[in-house]
Amino acid sequence: GAVVSQHPSWVICKSGTSVKIECRSLDFQATTMFWYRQFPKQSLMLMATSNEGSKATYEQGVEKDKFLINHASLTLSTLTVTSAHPEDSSFYICSARDGRLGLSSEQYFGPGTRLTVT
Amino acid sequence: GENVEQHPSTLSVQEGDSAVIKCTYSDSASNYFPWYKQELGKGPQLIIDIRSNVGEKKDQRIAVTLNKTAKHFSLHITETQPEDSAVYFCAASGIWNYGQNFVFGPGTRLSVLP
Repeated sequence: GAVVSQHPSWVICKSGTSVKIECRSLDFQATTMFWYRQFPKQSLMLMATSNEGSKATYEQGVEKDKFLINHASLTLSTLTVTSAHPEDSSFYICSARDGRLGLSSEQYFGPGTRLTVT
Repeated sequence: GENVEQHPSTLSVQEGDSAVIKCTYSDSASNYFPWYKQELGKGPQLIIDIRSNVGEKKDQRIAVTLNKTAKHFSLHITETQPEDSAVYFCAASGIWNYGQNFVFGPGTRLSVLP
C-alpha cells in the first residue's frame, strides 16, 4: 500500500517551453500532496503544499506563476514548470499524505522526475 | 521554525558492522520523526519512523531511538549489507493539523564496503 507514482520519470525540454509533471497516489486518497525540489547531493526542499480542490500554498521564494500546481482530484496533482530555463533543471519529487489517517503525518514519496532544460 | 541537523554527512562502514546516524531538532513541538532512504536517482523511501510518545522502535535490522529531552533521535542499522548503501534523511514534523510540514536534515551518505 501507499504507492505514489510520478510521470514522466525524466524529461528534457528546450528553454522557454513548459513541462507538466504528474503525481498520482495509486492505492489511497491523498488529501494533501507536496512538491519538493532536490539539487544534486542536497536535501529535499519543499516547494509547495496542495490540498485537493484548493489553491496550493507555496514556500517563500517559490514563484507560483512559474510553478503551477493543480490538485484536481484525491489521487492526482500536477506541477507545471512554465517557461522553463536551464536553472530549473533539477529533480522534482512529490509526496502524498493519506487522508484516511486523520492526524497522522506520514508522507509517501514518488520516484521523482528529473528535468533537464537545454 | 524547526531546524534539523544531521551527522555525519558521510559514513563508511564494513559489511556486517553497525551504522549510526544522529539528528537533532530545535522545535520541542515536533512529535513525528521519520527516516528515509534514498537511492541514486530515486525518490525517498520511508524505512522507519517514531513518535514522541515512544522512546525506541525496531524493525528487523533497523532501529530508531528518540530522546525528547535532548531533542535528538538516531537511526541504527545493524549487520549492514552493501544494499544499505544510500543517502539517509531524517525529518521532523508536528501533528498534521497544526500545519507543520516536514523539515529534513541535510542527509547522510552511507557506504557499506564489502
